Amino acid sequence: DGGITQSPKYLFRKEGQNVTLSCEQNLNHDAMYWYRQDPGQGLRLIYYSQIVNDFQKGDIAEGYSVSREKKESFPLTVTSAQKNPTAFYLCATSPGGEADTQYFGPGTRLTVL
Amino acid sequence: GQNIDQPTEMTATEGAIVQINCTYQTSGFNGLFWYQQHAGEAPTFLSYNVLDGLEEKGRFSSFLSRSKGYSYLLLKELQMKDSASYLCAVLNSNYQLIWGAGTKLIIKP
Repeated sequence: DGGITQSPKYLFRKEGQNVTLSCEQNLNHDAMYWYRQDPGQGLRLIYYSQIVNDFQKGDIAEGYSVSREKKESFPLTVTSAQKNPTAFYLCATSPGGEADTQYFGPGTRLTVL
Repeated sequence: GQNIDQPTEMTATEGAIVQINCTYQTSGFNGLFWYQQHAGEAPTFLSYNVLDGLEEKGRFSSFLSRSKGYSYLLLKELQMKDSASYLCAVLNSNYQLIWGAGTKLIIKP
């Protein structure tokens, strides 16, 4: 069953705690992306990776970190340095070409209390 | 700056036709995407336009005019399940996707 999985669907954390969001894909796509979605705003790119062991900052990388040790996995850590972490986080993948369509996982809704 | 403009919300009647507009100002252009997003779910790909004109795909069509910086998504024979947000996104000259805030479409019986 091919696809993109994100877990968990809902996540609650206390302020000041780091939290890691999972993104796994079995589509054999080279590129992976992390977006944040807030009400009334467009998707904002946090980090992206076009190849294993390499990743680049997006528009709002501050307070976040990622790793790409395997092609299938691109976890996102939301650190305590992120001032407003409560949001809907979406992972996406694309085959790898610059103009390729991006396909999205089901998302994780993070609430920091 | 770069921006994508879409209406915040639209209402239409089941069985009717609705057109959702998107205007853009970006640094270069390498294509325009439309996605559908139901509340609390992931965006799903609807269409991609890179050349001027109309692309038809079943009940959904997407139009592009690069000279006007304008696109629209046309939904025909509306069904209740079409109630969702519709996101417009433009690929700029650096192959970065610039996203609009989305248009929430409400379908009434």
